[in-house]
Amino acid sequence: QSVLAQPPSTSGTPGQRVTISCSGRTSNIGLNTVNWYQQLPGTAPKLLIFSSNQRPSGVPDRFSASKSGTSASLAISGLQSEDEADYYCASWDDSLNGWVFGGGTKLTVL
Amino acid sequence: EVQLVESGGGLVQPGGSLRLSCAASGFTFSSFEMNWVRQAPGKGLDWVSYISSSGTTIYYADSVKGRFTISRDNAKNSLYLQMNSLRAEDTALYYCTRGSPGIFGYWGQGALVTVSS
Repeated sequence: QSVLAQPPSTSGTPGQRVTISCSGRTSNIGLNTVNWYQQLPGTAPKLLIFSSNQRPSGVPDRFSASKSGTSASLAISGLQSEDEADYYCASWDDSLNGWVFGGGTKLTVL
Repeated sequence: EVQLVESGGGLVQPGGSLRLSCAASGFTFSSFEMNWVRQAPGKGLDWVSYISSSGTTIYYADSVKGRFTISRDNAKNSLYLQMNSLRAEDTALYYCTRGSPGIFGYWGQGALVTVSS
């Protein structure tokens, strides 16, 4: 059972907009920023979003994220086949004194 | 270009020990905090340990506290993870990660640790 809750799977068709939620507690998302990671099949994870809504250089602006209270969400617009991957959220937890991840969401592009 | 290359993985019996290394290049290693993150086969990501840029601040996940030790040698641009009293549930791909941007800004390709008799 992961500390941060994500839906195990979601899907969309090319061109569509999809969102992935990440639910936590005051001790993590409520007090700290959220990072999002994309893991393509058979590869290492890649940073997609940091500080809740900032994109590293090279990440397309089709990817955006937001945070409100103890929840966060990742949005992918103009869905493409190459977006098919696992997506993870992560945040610092003040109670656990460590980083916590969501269980991951598998995105399927139909 | 930032590069993180893990080594030292392998097959070990329950109760055994293993030391992972991560060779860093392409950036000023001594300026960045580092973490180990693991992923069991077919499972999600699991944070293991953090070390500050100077090595003075260290954190561990409860699941490895007292068994694993993180360290770094800034002169050798290297990060380490000493793993003792290994258990079957420690079987995973262990990633070396660099902070900034964000928590885990850059990732290595991982070192596979298998704990089995």
